[in-house]
Amino acid sequence: KAGVTQTPRYLIKTRGQQVTLSCSPISGHRSVSWYQQTPGQGLQFLFEYFSETQRNKGNFPGRFSGRQFSNSRSEMNVSTLELGDSALYLCASSLVSGFGNTIYFGEGSWLTVV
Amino acid sequence: SQQGEEDPQALSIQEGENATMNCSYKTSINNLQWYRQNSGRGLVHLILIRSNEREKHSGRLRVTLDTSKKSSSLLITASRAADTASYFCATDAWITGSNYKLTFGKGTLLTVNP
Repeated sequence: KAGVTQTPRYLIKTRGQQVTLSCSPISGHRSVSWYQQTPGQGLQFLFEYFSETQRNKGNFPGRFSGRQFSNSRSEMNVSTLELGDSALYLCASSLVSGFGNTIYFGEGSWLTVV
Repeated sequence: SQQGEEDPQALSIQEGENATMNCSYKTSINNLQWYRQNSGRGLVHLILIRSNEREKHSGRLRVTLDTSKKSSSLLITASRAADTASYFCATDAWITGSNYKLTFGKGTLLTVNP
C-alpha cells in the first residue's frame, strides 16, 4: 500500500511569489492535515481537511490556504511568500478525522524562500 | 504554543544501551502518540497510547502514560545506530467545539553511537 506522497520534494521560490504543494493521502484515507516544521517553531499545525471541508485551522495568516478534492488529494497554497515561510511542509493522512486516529506522514516538501 | 515538551532535548548513548525520553503536556488529552523523524525526512508513527492506558509495547519500544502527572515516557531498549533520529510526542487537544488538533513537542534528538 503506497504511503502519503508529497510533491514537489524540494523547491526554491523568491519572496513575493506563491507556491502550491500537493499531497496524495494513503488510499482510503479521507482526512488530510498539513504541518509546517521549522528549527525555531518546531512542528505547527496548519489545517485539516475531511471530505473536502476544512475542519480545523491553526494560527497562520490568510496567506496560507488549502483545499481537498473529491479523491481526497489535497493542495496547500502560500501566497506572497516571505523569508520566514522557508520550512519543511508535511502532509499527513488518516482514515477519518477525530481523536485516536493514527496519522501517517509523507516525506515532506522542502520550501526555501530567497 | 507547544503542548508537549520532550526531555531531554538531546541524548547520546552507545549501541546496546537503553534510551528513555520523556514528554510532559499541559492540558487534558485523549491520546498521545510518539513519532520518529530521521534527518530531513517525514515522521514515522511509533505508538499511540490512549488516556485510559498506562503502558504499551511495540517491539523494542515501551511507552508509559501517567495522566495524573501529565507525562509520558518512551523507552527504546537495546538501541541500534539506526535508532538515531528525533523523537516527538504529539497530543490531541480541543480547539473549539468539536474541532481538535494534534500538537507536537520540540522533540528529543537521539544519537546512538556504534
